[in-house]
Amino acid sequence: DAEITQSPRHKITETGRQVTLACHQTWNHNNMFWYRQDLGHGLRLIHYSYGVHDTNKGEVSDGYSVSRSNTEDLPLTLESAASSQTSVYFCASSEQGANEKLFFGSGTQLSVL
Amino acid sequence: SQQGEEDPQALSIQEGENATMNCSYKTSINNLQWYRQNSGRGLVHLILIRSNEREKHSGRLRVTLDTSKKSSSLLITASRAADTASYFCATDMFSGGYNKLIFGAGTRLAVHP
Repeated sequence: DAEITQSPRHKITETGRQVTLACHQTWNHNNMFWYRQDLGHGLRLIHYSYGVHDTNKGEVSDGYSVSRSNTEDLPLTLESAASSQTSVYFCASSEQGANEKLFFGSGTQLSVL
Repeated sequence: SQQGEEDPQALSIQEGENATMNCSYKTSINNLQWYRQNSGRGLVHLILIRSNEREKHSGRLRVTLDTSKKSSSLLITASRAADTASYFCATDMFSGGYNKLIFGAGTRLAVHP
């Protein structure tokens, strides 16, 4: 069955380190998204991509970057991790568009100490 | 500011009772979606309702949309303990040249046996 997987499930890092969170989907969806989830804020969009080599900033993109070299993967990089980036990160993909049904991964719990 | 906001923030009911959650939004939309999130898991899509629809059903779920009041409700009938989860509404927003899906902070539903 097609799926979307995130790795690692849990990550602890130190401030200032570079961290990369992986997201891999086997649906062959063009649209992929990264959200962060924090208590009281719901999910906030970090970056998104509508296809290979396409990346766009979301509402909370500062300190994050993404690259899209193939259809299946959209890794999220924290250039220099900060304590404010401690959060749960979710990757999602959609077939028909950014405002249509999203399929989510199980999330990565990131702690920046 | 968030496009969609759920009400109530938390709801506690007994098995067999109905659960109603509401979502209000600020700007015009093309569609509104409801998602469910079990603890420690990713979000799962429940229902998508388009702006020209007023009501939609899926099993024990009923979603209504009132575009004049910019509000939607999710009704879960004959609730079960397994319905315990957080429920999020998501609305589409067009800004910066792209459509995006904006999530509310969610309603935490607890169904007691």
